[in-house]
Amino acid sequence: EAQVTQNPRYLITVTGKKLTVTCSQNMNHEYMSWYRQDPGLGLRQIYYSMNVEVTDKGDVPEGYKVSRKEKRNFPLILESPSPNQTSLYFCASKKPGLAGGSSYNEQFFGPGTRLTVL
Amino acid sequence: EDQVTQSPEALRLQEGESSSLNCSYTVSGLRGLFWYRQDPGKGPEFLFTLYSAGEEKEKERLKATLTKKESFLHITAPKPEDSATYLCAVRSGGYNKLIFGAGTRLAVHP
Repeated sequence: EAQVTQNPRYLITVTGKKLTVTCSQNMNHEYMSWYRQDPGLGLRQIYYSMNVEVTDKGDVPEGYKVSRKEKRNFPLILESPSPNQTSLYFCASKKPGLAGGSSYNEQFFGPGTRLTVL
Repeated sequence: EDQVTQSPEALRLQEGESSSLNCSYTVSGLRGLFWYRQDPGKGPEFLFTLYSAGEEKEKERLKATLTKKESFLHITAPKPEDSATYLCAVRSGGYNKLIFGAGTRLAVHP
């Protein structure tokens, strides 16, 4: 089954304790992205990756790191989490294609990781 | 600054009562407007992409339309299983950046 998986699904941690949220896709997609979703603010992009070893900042990258050493994996790292990073996090992937093509824009989202930082 | 605003924030309908959700946007060079559906506890699920004013897309009871300033998601004779949060997003300029609205929570009651 084609899917994006995230782990863990739920995490409660304390300020300053480093954590990693994993994301993996089995669709051989080149593009992957991380979003956070907060009430009233919608989904905001944190980082994205066009391919292995190619990453770039989204709208809200502060306090986050990513790496893309393999095509299928795109972990999100919080080196020193703070309470304002309490949020619902989504990983997404997208197949490449020409602009305007039918498959160009369909992003596949993971099930989400609910993170609470105390 | 690119911006997406969805209204209403929440909408309650009776089964069979048709209605529309609105997504208004301000972007510098629209390169696509997208609708997603999100069920509780799940990630967004892609519904439609619209590229130019006048374009329409349909899927079952849903129909999305686009003008130069806004998009509508029309829901015809909704059923309880249509209950979800509907998200609108736009892509402007670069290939990689999607700007999402806050969503409309739709509840359809039998």
